[in-house]
Amino acid sequence: ETGVTQSPTHLIKTRGQQVTLRCSSQSGHNTVSWYQQALGQGPQFIFQYYREEENGRGNFPPRFSGLQFPNYSSELNVNALELDDSALYLCASSLGHNQQYFGPGTRLTVL
Amino acid sequence: DQQVKQNSPSLSVQEGRISILNCDYTNSMFDYFLWYKKYPAEGPTFLISISSIKDKNEDGRFTVFLNKSAKHLSLHIVPSQPGDSAVYFCAASAPWGGSQGNLIFGKGTKLSVKP
Repeated sequence: ETGVTQSPTHLIKTRGQQVTLRCSSQSGHNTVSWYQQALGQGPQFIFQYYREEENGRGNFPPRFSGLQFPNYSSELNVNALELDDSALYLCASSLGHNQQYFGPGTRLTVL
Repeated sequence: DQQVKQNSPSLSVQEGRISILNCDYTNSMFDYFLWYKKYPAEGPTFLISISSIKDKNEDGRFTVFLNKSAKHLSLHIVPSQPGDSAVYFCAASAPWGGSQGNLIFGKGTKLSVKP
């Protein structure tokens, strides 16, 4: 059984650019949640996808968007990058509202 | 406004002793509480959870206590081992916003267990 994987591991972008982060959910899981963890903070909920539909959203602007595919993998897209978007982005998969399993994260640096 | 607070950024404990990590929350609507452990360069790993209808849950060396009147929970690790050294996050499950199961995390407490 494969766990949650995320790509890329690290990424450097400049202000104003766009970025796409990817997440492969654990086998059998149909729900993916995305979190942003800034330095020295706990993870903050961005949004959740359940069966390819957005199923809840945290306090993040519309330039944070996502997709879930039929195989339940997911993408997080961030447009018009700002310096404050520099963070560790975590993806977690689950079967519905059950226990969430986290991937290792993508470290995004915005210069 | 932080809804889940871990007021101790760090904790140092001797191997074999008890580690007590504390967490406070502000919203009485939270229905589920979880503890996660995080090693560097890894994602958070689920440790133990407790429903808001219980006051204690035990799993091996780990016990979580919930005091709803005080809006306080704690994680006890007995006995502490050097491998327990990690950042521990307290999280609450929010049953609103169109999504049950989105988690609200505290800032974490870095536990160091010294041999």
